[in-house]
Amino acid sequence: GQSLEQPSEVTAVEGAIVQINCTYQTSGFYGLSWYQQHDGGAPTFLSYNALDGLEETGRFSSFLSRSDSYGYLLLQELQMKDSASYFCALGGAGTALIFGKGTTLSVSS
Amino acid sequence: NAGVTQTPKFRVLKTGQSMTLLCAQDMNHEYMYWYRQDPGMGLRLIHYSVGEGTTAKGEVPDGYNVSRLKKQNFLLGLESAAPSQTSVYFCASRAGVSTGELFFGEGSRLTVL
Repeated sequence: GQSLEQPSEVTAVEGAIVQINCTYQTSGFYGLSWYQQHDGGAPTFLSYNALDGLEETGRFSSFLSRSDSYGYLLLQELQMKDSASYFCALGGAGTALIFGKGTTLSVSS
Repeated sequence: NAGVTQTPKFRVLKTGQSMTLLCAQDMNHEYMYWYRQDPGMGLRLIHYSVGEGTTAKGEVPDGYNVSRLKKQNFLLGLESAAPSQTSVYFCASRAGVSTGELFFGEGSRLTVL
């Protein structure tokens, strides 16, 4: 099967940089995705790593290392609106997409 | 462009009742998914479909059935609702396995009394 582990909570201040880690176990997969979800809303797509390395999208970057079964989401220049839950998701064999339990990010002023 | 639409948005059921959640997407996506979300549990995959006429079980399929008779629609059925099925249900679609981007509906909040 597949499983993902990520911290349950992270706190930071406005303007700071925060990294949310995701470790996984799988027998083979297509890539690692990241999603953001605000309270009461639907998850929205942030980033996708199909290959090892760093993907940058504005203030957000995502990294994947297949050899370490590890990835992270990096959020820079944090803003209050970044307070949300962040999920990593594994695209596995058979095209099922499995999610981690999520990390709640709280940004304070 | 509507994207992914779920109906109904809210529903209250009594234990033992049945109901169907409808998911419709207008992006011509091959892959569609049903997830449930409970506090502290993240998103758990119930069933998914890789194309019209196909379905497959996810992580938590018991108590649910699905059908994909048309490419744009993915139905989730509860034959005999139980309080443990109280949850927020999200439908999502994806163009293909080469992209990690899921497009989500707004969610359907189901309460089983």
